[in-house]
Amino acid sequence: KAGVTQTPRYLIKTRGQQVTLSCSPISGHRSVSWYQQTPGQGLQFLFEYFSETQRNKGNFPGRFSGRQFSNSRSEMNVSTLELGDSALYLCASSPAGARETQYFGPGTRLLVL
Amino acid sequence: AQSVSQHNHHVILSEAASLELGCNYSYGGTVNLFWYVQYPGQHLQLLLKYFSGDPLVKGIKGFEAEFIKSKFSFNLRKPSVQWSDTAEYFCAVNPRGSQGNLIFGKGTKLSVKP
Repeated sequence: KAGVTQTPRYLIKTRGQQVTLSCSPISGHRSVSWYQQTPGQGLQFLFEYFSETQRNKGNFPGRFSGRQFSNSRSEMNVSTLELGDSALYLCASSPAGARETQYFGPGTRLLVL
Repeated sequence: AQSVSQHNHHVILSEAASLELGCNYSYGGTVNLFWYVQYPGQHLQLLLKYFSGDPLVKGIKGFEAEFIKSKFSFNLRKPSVQWSDTAEYFCAVNPRGSQGNLIFGKGTKLSVKP
């Protein structure tokens, strides 16, 4: 089975722009979670989607949003980028979310200039 | 707020030394517990997990962890490390009923000298 894939792998944007990141889960997995990883804050949960519905949300501003499609692929969007949004954004998938292992993708490294 | 503490930021060991990485969490309810590892240049991989039952769980590559409920701890151990264990190790907690939300510790970087 193919693993979790994320595109693009690297991205450079400037302040004020917006960005969309994509995640394709492992085939058959219906839950997709997003995390932000920075040297200072570590890994922080952004949100989780299951069957096209956001089930859980972390403590991030409304500039961070996401969605999930009927094929379980997910996108996250960050609007009005700030320098502090520079991070590695990780996507993880699991069959249904609760009490299950999350499998992580390689991440998208975003640099905001 | 729920949090996970990993006591050591960077651990340096020689090959064949024993390893114990500490992990404590703050959450009063029932949790699922995980250890993930990130080898250089690779993405996060699951080492082991605890959901219920025997509090001593065994994972891949000779790693094990013990859940001590009274101490809110889930320490990772390996009796004899190898150079290939050089990586960053993350403890994570999922509060029961909180779908898809892993609360991670800040990670412990392990360097094993050959």
